[in-house]
Amino acid sequence: GQNIDQPTEMTATEGAIVQINCTYQTSGFNGLFWYQQHAGEAPTFLSYNVLDGLEEKGRFSSFLSRSKGYSYLLLKELQMKDSASYLCAFSGSNDYKLSFGAGTTVTVRA
Amino acid sequence: DVKVTQSSRYLVKRTGEKVFLECVQDMDHENMFWYRQDPGLGLRLIYFSYDVKMKEKGDIPEGYSVSREKKERFSLILESASTNQTSMYLCASSTGAPTELFFGEGSRLTVL
Repeated sequence: GQNIDQPTEMTATEGAIVQINCTYQTSGFNGLFWYQQHAGEAPTFLSYNVLDGLEEKGRFSSFLSRSKGYSYLLLKELQMKDSASYLCAFSGSNDYKLSFGAGTTVTVRA
Repeated sequence: DVKVTQSSRYLVKRTGEKVFLECVQDMDHENMFWYRQDPGLGLRLIYFSYDVKMKEKGDIPEGYSVSREKKERFSLILESASTNQTSMYLCASSTGAPTELFFGEGSRLTVL
């Protein structure tokens, strides 16, 4: 079977750093994705990890450890516009579909 | 810019009605997907298609069917809507695997 877990909610202050953890269990693995979704909008792609290690893209970084079934999304220099839901998803081997976690709602306070 | 367009942003239907949700993508993508999104449950895959006239069941296909007569269009059909199908429905497309999904704006369906 497949399972994916991430915290429900996180709150942080503008300018701070927040780390969103994601753990998954799957019989096959072909990549780990992070999406951002603002309220009432469609999810938009943030990052993709297929190999172990850290991928950095501006203020956002994503880390993967395949042996531990673990990923995190790091948001630095938080801005008010970063208030959104962050979705962790993985692709199992030999298929095209993504399995999503329930999402982590991040609230940035002034 | 890539674009996935869903025909209706908001729909209100009655129990037992037949409901069609249309999705069109202009990126020549092979793969198309229908998810539903509910609070606390995240996105759950209903059906997907990796080619014209092909379809595969996702995790929660019961009560739904799909149609893909043309590469750019993927329709979700609720044969007899029920109140537990009240949800946000998201269409997505992608090219090849694994790769990012491009999502439509969503269709919020309320079944009374």
